[in-house]
Amino acid sequence: NAGVMQNPRHLVRRRGQEARLRCSPMKGHSHVYWYRQLPEEGLKFMVYLQKENIIDESGMPKERFSAEFPKEGPSILRIQQVVRGDSAAYFCASSPARVNYEQYFGPGTRLTVT
Amino acid sequence: LAKTTQPISMDSYEGQEVNITCSHNNIATNDYITWYQQFPSQGPRFIIQGYKTKVTNEVASLFIPADRKSSTLSLPRVSLSDTAVYYCLVGLSGGYNKLIFGAGTRLAVHP
Repeated sequence: NAGVMQNPRHLVRRRGQEARLRCSPMKGHSHVYWYRQLPEEGLKFMVYLQKENIIDESGMPKERFSAEFPKEGPSILRIQQVVRGDSAAYFCASSPARVNYEQYFGPGTRLTVT
Repeated sequence: LAKTTQPISMDSYEGQEVNITCSHNNIATNDYITWYQQFPSQGPRFIIQGYKTKVTNEVASLFIPADRKSSTLSLPRVSLSDTAVYYCLVGLSGGYNKLIFGAGTRLAVHP
């Protein structure tokens, strides 16, 4: 049973470009979470999605950031017009149920904005 | 949400038992205590969860006193591969989805 998959693992973008991060949850999991981690800090919740629905986006910046989890295909976190402050590790997690303390994390995508 | 306080870092040696204590004075009646482990360049991994008294699994033990205002993660006979950041999370009772991570405790295990 493959774990949570994220790609790319490393992404370099110039300021002003768009970044697209993909996450494929574990098989059978319909709940996806995105977190951001700055160097030497803990993870910060961004958004929680179920298939075709955004359930909680309270941690996601209102500007430039968006997320989706379509009926088919991976969840995508999209960052438009990236700035240097967006450089971070972005982790995706999935769980099989809505209320679940045990979330399964992917290896992360490390975004570097130059 | 109950705020947690953990030591920033700890050092240990191979074969020793490591105890990491987390303070959560404002824990709510329905809150559980959960610990995650994160290795460098990897996503966090669930270790253990408990509500009261003691919980043990193949990886660790979790001790929670009666007042639940603190908890202690115990790692028996650590090895170099246990070098990681350990996060204590509180506030995952029913209806709650997002994990709230603090800064965690950086454990360094030395030969």
